[in-house]
Amino acid sequence: KAGVTQTPRYLIKTRGQQVTLSCSPISGHRSVSWYQQTPGQGLQFLFEYFSETQRNKGNFPGRFSGRQFSNSRSEMNVSTLELGDSALYLCASSRGENTGELFFGEGSRLTVL
Amino acid sequence: AQSVAQPEDQVNVAEGNPLTVKCTYSVSGNPYLFWYVQYPNRGLQFLLKYITGDNLVKGSYGFEAEFNKSQTSFHLKKPSALVSDSALYFCAVRDAISGTYKYIFGTGTRLKVLA
Repeated sequence: KAGVTQTPRYLIKTRGQQVTLSCSPISGHRSVSWYQQTPGQGLQFLFEYFSETQRNKGNFPGRFSGRQFSNSRSEMNVSTLELGDSALYLCASSRGENTGELFFGEGSRLTVL
Repeated sequence: AQSVAQPEDQVNVAEGNPLTVKCTYSVSGNPYLFWYVQYPNRGLQFLLKYITGDNLVKGSYGFEAEFNKSQTSFHLKKPSALVSDSALYFCAVRDAISGTYKYIFGTGTRLKVLA
């Protein structure tokens, strides 16, 4: 069974640019969550999508957005990049029930110069 | 509001010794509790979870955790540590009745097993 796939794995952008990250969940999983991980702030929840609807949202500015497609694949977008957006962005999929564990991808490491 | 605390930023233990990584939680209803491990430059991997039933939960790689309702704790344990256990460990909680399906993660504890 294929795991969670995130692309790209590494990318470098400059301030003011925008970036789109992609996540393909495990087959059959309807929930996709996104997290930002930095050394100083730890693991911060961005948002969760379930069956193409945003079910939960963290405390990030509107520059951070996401969507989920009918095949459960998800994308997140960050516009007007700032230096502080440099981080490891993790995607996790699950079946979506409350008792289920998350399955994480390897992450997309974004560096903003 | 839900919250999770991992009071130790780092835990050092000698190889072969037992290890404990601490986690306490706060939820309004019954908790669903999880442990994850992260190796360098990798995503998180699920280790074990407590949903209901037996307070002692066994998981991957010889890890286990004990749910203690009175102390609102869910400490991760292993009888004999390996150098390869060195990694970042995260505790997480979900509230069974909140209906938000939201995971709350702790800040992580770095485990260092010394040879």
